[in-house]
Amino acid sequence: SQQGEEDPQALSIQEGENATMNCSYKTSINNLQWYRQNSGRGLVHLILIRSNEREKHSGRLRVTLDTSKKSSSLLITASRAADTASYFCGWATTDSWGKLQFGAGTQVVVTP
Amino acid sequence: EADIYQTPRYLVIGTGKKITLECSQTMGHDKMYWYQQDPGMELHLIHYSYGVNSTEKGDLSSESTVSRIRTEHFPLTLESARPSHTSQYLCASSELGRNTEAFFGQGTRLTVV
Repeated sequence: SQQGEEDPQALSIQEGENATMNCSYKTSINNLQWYRQNSGRGLVHLILIRSNEREKHSGRLRVTLDTSKKSSSLLITASRAADTASYFCGWATTDSWGKLQFGAGTQVVVTP
Repeated sequence: EADIYQTPRYLVIGTGKKITLECSQTMGHDKMYWYQQDPGMELHLIHYSYGVNSTEKGDLSSESTVSRIRTEHFPLTLESARPSHTSQYLCASSELGRNTEAFFGQGTRLTVV
């Protein structure tokens, strides 16, 4: 992608294991957000971390942000079969309009 | 459930036809977006708007056009559909502000034959 990348592209784990995925971007940002997409549906917002924050938690989600490296990670702990989905990072740029751009996503499959 | 709606959900149409994909939100959001999603999943921003009569092209060049005559409505139009336009189109909206989350519609799956 010209704007950023996510890795891995796909991840297969068993229930109870942790899932970690990474995101890199190329511009200056106000915040970075993670979204989830179930097959054939729209994206659902999970968590937002501001550019002056380094770590944020929400339930089983843990997000880190390193603005010096222009990278972020999402950790899902104790995964469940219901966590099977695609996960996208999106970043709000600092230009006057603050448009929201996305990476390519990570497909996560959690097997029982 | 987000109050943002896209119609139709699925559309199969012949080459050369004019189509309009509808997107409406009832949240009073000023920001609205259109994304094109490849089969390989990546989302590309093709249009965005920051309020009535404000529209900008996104990072991916698109032959589509948009309008924003009312806050709640952000339709996307293709004057002459081609097979290369086959894709998933996602509409989203958010409040004006630097740190706001986006709400997405369910998407329109367009197939041009």
